[in-house]
Amino acid sequence: NAGVTQTPKFQVLKTGQSMTLQCAQDMNHNSMYWYRQDPGMGLRLIYYSASEGTTDKGEVPNGYNVSRLNKREFSLRLESAAPSQTSVYFCASSERGIAADTQYFGPGTRLTVL
Amino acid sequence: SNSVKQTGQITVSEGASVTMNCTYTSTGYPTLFWYVEYPSKPLQLLQRETMENSKNFGGGNIKDKNSPIVKYSVQVSDSAVYYCLLGESCRMGNNNDMRFGAGTRLTVKP
Repeated sequence: NAGVTQTPKFQVLKTGQSMTLQCAQDMNHNSMYWYRQDPGMGLRLIYYSASEGTTDKGEVPNGYNVSRLNKREFSLRLESAAPSQTSVYFCASSERGIAADTQYFGPGTRLTVL
Repeated sequence: SNSVKQTGQITVSEGASVTMNCTYTSTGYPTLFWYVEYPSKPLQLLQRETMENSKNFGGGNIKDKNSPIVKYSVQVSDSAVYYCLLGESCRMGNNNDMRFGAGTRLTVKP
């Protein structure tokens, strides 16, 4: 099993450009998450999907949109990138989407917005 | 609401024991996770602590709002960033809250 995979691994954008970060899991998990990681702030939840067909905002959703394409895939879109969105983005999945569930993380996407 | 606090950096020599604290406030039913991030690797789960099994882990009691992780006889290869994650189920309804601490960077010197 590959676990949680993310593409691309690195990306450089100019301010105002758009892009979609892709995430897929092969563990048949119901819930998926997007986090951003910034120095001194740990990981902060952007959006999550408790189950196929549902999405909810996390702590820092502004400037992002998400799509739960199917049970395996959860994408994060930046419509108009800003320098403040320079960060490392992590996708995660868990079996049931409750607070007591272990989350499994992908390797991350390092995004730089110039 | 909840908040999660961790010590920023710890530097020790090889062979030492180190305690990394995670202090939090909780108004619901907390589950505390510890993850480790090695360079260029995905976050890996180290331990998961719920109110039911808190007695199985030395060094902390989740009911006291502090849940440290202790590593004994550390090696250079233990150098990494250690994160705690608080998952909280609310007493009423199905609301869940997940919140990371800022992480503790552990540096082990040879």
